[in-house]
Amino acid sequence: GNSVTQMEGPVTLSEEAFLTINCTYTATGYPSLFWYVQYPGEGLQLLLKATKADDKGSNKGFEATYRKETTSFHLEKGSVQVSDSAVYFCALSRVSGSARQLTFGSGTQLTVLP
Amino acid sequence: DGGITQSPKYLFRKEGQNVTLSCEQNLNHDAMYWYRQDPGQGLRLIYYSQIVNDFQKGDIAEGYSVSREKKESFPLTVTSAQKNPTAFYLCASATGEVTQPQHFGDGTRLSIL
Repeated sequence: GNSVTQMEGPVTLSEEAFLTINCTYTATGYPSLFWYVQYPGEGLQLLLKATKADDKGSNKGFEATYRKETTSFHLEKGSVQVSDSAVYFCALSRVSGSARQLTFGSGTQLTVLP
Repeated sequence: DGGITQSPKYLFRKEGQNVTLSCEQNLNHDAMYWYRQDPGQGLRLIYYSQIVNDFQKGDIAEGYSVSREKKESFPLTVTSAQKNPTAFYLCASATGEVTQPQHFGDGTRLSIL
């Protein structure tokens, strides 16, 4: 079946440090891949997406490249800010019958210290 | 602005009581979803609906019920059969296309009195 494995947290970094959050997936066919961010007490917001192999999604300084050969979609940012502190979820789209659904990783808590 | 509205933000349930969580969207999306999130956990799918008057069980449907009488609305009832209902509940909607993301509401936090 389809699954997403995320780097376990929590992750604590100093401001301006480089961030990598690993995400690997198992899926049949050609899923679309997403990163979502969740701030405390809120719902999930789409951060970026990639819909085919070698696509790079980017937003707000975050990037992730869809690597089919390694089944990975690692999230990176060159210089994190305190405001990036949140939980990050990797997800893939899947088809169940005629329905499109998302399979989520377990989330990675990021704390950025000033 | 288009979006998804969940209400209430906080909800308390007494023993033996059913409670209903509201989810409304004005994005004209066909598909709607309910998820449960426990502390430090990912999201688990409770129910989903692809069109009006049709819905399907997700991975953890026991103790929950839904209806989809209007395209804009997808309420979730947490019944007394759900023995551990304390969690953060998230509603989402989507166009249904595999390349398009789901859009989430701000969630309802349900606790037991």
